[in-house]
Amino acid sequence: DAGVIQSPRHEVTEMGQEVTLRCKPISGHDYLFWYRQTMMRGLELLIYFNNNVPIDDSGMPEDRFSAKMPNASFSTLKIQPSEPRDSAVYFCASSPRRNTEAFFGQGTRLTVV
Amino acid sequence: AQKITQTQPGMFVQEKEAVTLDCTYDTSDPSYGLFWYKQPSSGEMIFLIYQGSYDQQNATEGRYSLNFQKARKSANLVISASQLGDSAMYFCAMRAYNTDKLIFGTGTRLQVFP
Repeated sequence: DAGVIQSPRHEVTEMGQEVTLRCKPISGHDYLFWYRQTMMRGLELLIYFNNNVPIDDSGMPEDRFSAKMPNASFSTLKIQPSEPRDSAVYFCASSPRRNTEAFFGQGTRLTVV
Repeated sequence: AQKITQTQPGMFVQEKEAVTLDCTYDTSDPSYGLFWYKQPSSGEMIFLIYQGSYDQQNATEGRYSLNFQKARKSANLVISASQLGDSAMYFCAMRAYNTDKLIFGTGTRLQVFP
């Protein structure tokens, strides 16, 4: 398996623009997590899915953020409109089942100018 | 609520020596898993080791071992025979069975010097 695949690896956008981050989890994994990493706040869990259903989105910072998982092999995290404080590395991770480790993608470095 | 605490922002260790990275946790769930991840300067998150709350023995994976003290709610990572390539950020994480969230501590930056 190729592992968790995220795209794009880098994204630079202007404030106010819509940004969409993409993730393909490992095949057969039931759980998918989205994280944001910044120097100030560390690794924050934004939302996670179980069998394509959002279970907990309490970490999503604002209504500007939304996430979907239309099928078992694809998820998106959308920011609309983007702001400079959204600049961070966004990680997607998947795990096969409950109480197991998660495998991370390479991350998307987002810069909002 | 779940919480992971890593109180050491940075640690130094000489090559070939052992080092312990501290982690304490808090959860009301009796069933949970504890994890350690390594993040080198290249940025990827690498899973190192797992300890289940009901495991009787401390987990080991090569040079990594987890010193699990359930009563004290601590899950320290021990790296034996440090290598220069061990220089990285290390994150402790927890996943409680009922909530199923995987949450992370703030990390410890380890630097190994010759």
